[in-house]
This record gives sequence, C-alpha cells and structure tokens, in this order.
Amino acid sequence: DSGVTQTPKHLITATGQRVTLRCSPRSGDLSVYWYQQSLDQGLQFLIQYYNGEERAKGNILERFSAQQFPDLHSELNLSSLELGDSALYFCASSVASGYLQETQYFGPGTRLLVL
Amino acid sequence: DAKTTQPNSMESNEEEPVHLPCNHSTISGTDYIHWYRQLPSQGPEYVIHGLTSNVNNRMASLAIAEDRKSSTLILHRATLRDAAVYYCILRDDGSNFGNEKLTFGTGTRLTIIP
Repeated sequence: DSGVTQTPKHLITATGQRVTLRCSPRSGDLSVYWYQQSLDQGLQFLIQYYNGEERAKGNILERFSAQQFPDLHSELNLSSLELGDSALYFCASSVASGYLQETQYFGPGTRLLVL
Repeated sequence: DAKTTQPNSMESNEEEPVHLPCNHSTISGTDYIHWYRQLPSQGPEYVIHGLTSNVNNRMASLAIAEDRKSSTLILHRATLRDAAVYYCILRDDGSNFGNEKLTFGTGTRLTIIP
C-alpha cells in the first residue's frame, strides 16, 4: 500500500459525458502528479500540482483539467469524453522536498471506460 | 530528454537471479538512472536509483557501467511476485523545479517461470 488513494476504482460512462477522478496523496506530500496509461500510448504524464498550484504540464488535452485543494487532495476532470479517453488514470505524490530525485508514490489507479 | 532502450520481454526461472538491461547512450552528466516496476493491476512502484556507483537496497541492485551508457537491474532471487513490467527512467538533476515528472518508456515485461 503506497498510501495514495484514488476513487473511484472503476468508471463506465458514455461519450460526451464529464467525469471527475479523485486522488488523496500520502500524508505530508505536497506534490501530486496525474498520469494516463493507455494501450497505444503507454504511461504518460499529464499534469503536476504543488501545494495547490500548477507546476508542470504534459500531454494533457484541453478537455481535461485538474486542481489541488487546500487539504492537498486533487481532482482530475475529464469532459466531452471520447472513446479514446478510455484508459487507466494514475495519481502519484511526492514530498517535494527540493530533491529532484525523490520517489513518486503511485495510487492504484482509476480505470475509465468510455462507451 | 535522453532516451532509454529496454528489451520488450524477458523470462526467468523462480529463485534464480535476473539481470534486466537498459541502454541509455545519450545520458547526460546530470541524469540519474531510476527503475520503477508495475505489478499486474497496480500502479508503478519505485525500485532503485543511482548516478554513477552501483547501488543496493532490499529490493534489488543497480549496476551502472563505467561510461554510464548502460545499466542493469539485478533481482538476486526472483519470486513469482517479481513478475511485472520494469521501467528504466532517466531523471535530470540539473533542471529546475517543475521537471520532476517521470517519463516512462515501454519497459521490459518480466515473466517468472515456477
């Protein structure tokens, strides 16, 4: 158990809909990362938040957005869903001590299926 | 970003050592070598990392070539629980905050034969 929790575990929805994925980082971790894992693209970094502010952006679509709340939990919002958005979405967290090589701890993921 | 190359898959017998190779011929002087693994139906987990010297921890050993263009993750005695996809990742220590993301390649799928 990494200490990172994600809800829901599974999500089935239809094209055009909007969903919210939730992540609670390990206690004390200030940085939250979101990654998408699909069969054709592999594991890809989407976005990072540090202490409530966006820190880095990766291959995140404009239809996707995220935020980190004062209690440090984070939400990833996916809208106007398409079939190709079906994937595993992982959240990871790290202490953000300033040591660039620090470990990221991953949650169990949310499996999204868009029908 | 410097790239890594790993075999797509490897097999090993249970209770034998496993050597997982990674090539990173364009590695820069400030790149650390990290290994993460992803067990079936789980998120990735950290295994080990190093810069120049060989490293050991309770999970594995990391052997780094003298020219740093390749490295090998060593599992000393593989168990069925070690069946996973292993990712070799380079992380630059010379960049600023905001570049902490992990860049995953395709990894090596390790199968353990009972």
